[in-house]
Amino acid sequence: DIVLTQSPATLSVTPGESVSLSCRASQGISTSIHWYQQKSNESPRLLIKYASQSISGIPSRFSGSGSGTDFTLSINRVESEDFSVYYCQQSYSLPLTFGSGTKLEIK
Amino acid sequence: EIQLQESGPGLVKPSQSLSLTCSVTGYTITSGYDWSWIRKFPGNKMEWMGYISYSGSTNYNPSLKSRISITRDTSKNQFFLQLNSVTTEDTATYYCARCLGAWFAYWGQGTLVTVSS
Repeated sequence: DIVLTQSPATLSVTPGESVSLSCRASQGISTSIHWYQQKSNESPRLLIKYASQSISGIPSRFSGSGSGTDFTLSINRVESEDFSVYYCQQSYSLPLTFGSGTKLEIK
Repeated sequence: EIQLQESGPGLVKPSQSLSLTCSVTGYTITSGYDWSWIRKFPGNKMEWMGYISYSGSTNYNPSLKSRISITRDTSKNQFFLQLNSVTTEDTATYYCARCLGAWFAYWGQGTLVTVSS
């Protein structure tokens, strides 16, 4: 199975700061990575597909980059509604796997 | 708009079977895509469990292969999860989701299943 390692586990920031969340794959997966946001008591919401492709309805402050084994989700000027948990997920090979998540919290 | 809704018992005893239903509205499950079950454990770990495709074929996570079954009722536009011989480690929030390409664009709201005697 492909293991996805997300870092940091928790990121404490002040609203208005820009942040980068990391996802590292245990082997090369091209750009087969997708990012989700999950707020408390809600289901996950797709933010980015295939590493950098935007999703309709998602604010433009969210962007993704990377290929191979290293991927980044960037949030430009974090807003209060962005404080939640973020997951990466790979679709390069079955079984589909998820990272352990990064919790973005208010400093 | 497509909507997915999980339903089923919130409490299951160890060694018994867990059975959940995902009811889909706004899209016919035989028209396309794969229909998955995903679970989130306490502590945030997420696991893809398996899917049933629009054609009825299935694919399971090998970690569950001996215990899992995903089936469907096309007349009701529903698909089902059965997980056998559950233990307390199967306590999780269970989600059904539509796999669009290889990502999950549509999710149910999730249902918490606790395994306890």
